[in-house]
Amino acid sequence: EAEVAQSPRYKITEKSQAVAFWCDPISGHATLYWYRQILGQGPELLVQFQDESVVDDSQLPKDRFSAERLKGVDSTLKIQPAELGDSAMYLCASSLAPGREKNIQYFGAGTRLSVL
Amino acid sequence: AQKITQTQPGMFVQEKEAVTLDCTYDTSDQSYGLFWYKQPSSGEMIFLIYQGSYDEQNATEGRYSLNFQKARKSANLVISASQLGDSAMYFCAMRGLRERQNFVFGPGTRLSVLP
Repeated sequence: EAEVAQSPRYKITEKSQAVAFWCDPISGHATLYWYRQILGQGPELLVQFQDESVVDDSQLPKDRFSAERLKGVDSTLKIQPAELGDSAMYLCASSLAPGREKNIQYFGAGTRLSVL
Repeated sequence: AQKITQTQPGMFVQEKEAVTLDCTYDTSDQSYGLFWYKQPSSGEMIFLIYQGSYDEQNATEGRYSLNFQKARKSANLVISASQLGDSAMYFCAMRGLRERQNFVFGPGTRLSVLP
């Protein structure tokens, strides 16, 4: 069964260091999402891609976060510099296309980030 | 703006019993979709069930069913014959029909199944 792949599963870093997370969506899925999930809360959208274009990054802290999906397939989310408050689970999801209400998002296993 | 409310931070259920997890939502959209996801302690979000706002019948997927009451804006998840492996966080989510309408998740309910 096709899956959304994410790496690494766990990342420990020190404050002010740079970190990067990678996501490979399900083959054929045009839409890719990055979410941040703080412990005990639901996921919150950081950025949404349609193919290689960003369609929504309104909740992305652009002073330190960046995301790219250069060829419209896999994607990288970067944080530089990391802050203590960035400790969270970072989830990637993909779906076939927007514009339909039954637009099921399939999630990867996530990257659990701890900033020390 | 869309909002999801899950008023049960934690629930307990005896193995083999049924359990209902509550979800209410608020939206100004006329057409929308409602979703339930399960998140085990390992972290991945697993899609469980979907209900469209214009679907006349409640959705069912195996042991999962959705009690959809549109006028009350509620979409409760019913799990029948609970199993120990059902212990997890459960999130209700919705999205509208507009192209850039994003998923909005509720705060989740932690379900613990007791042997």
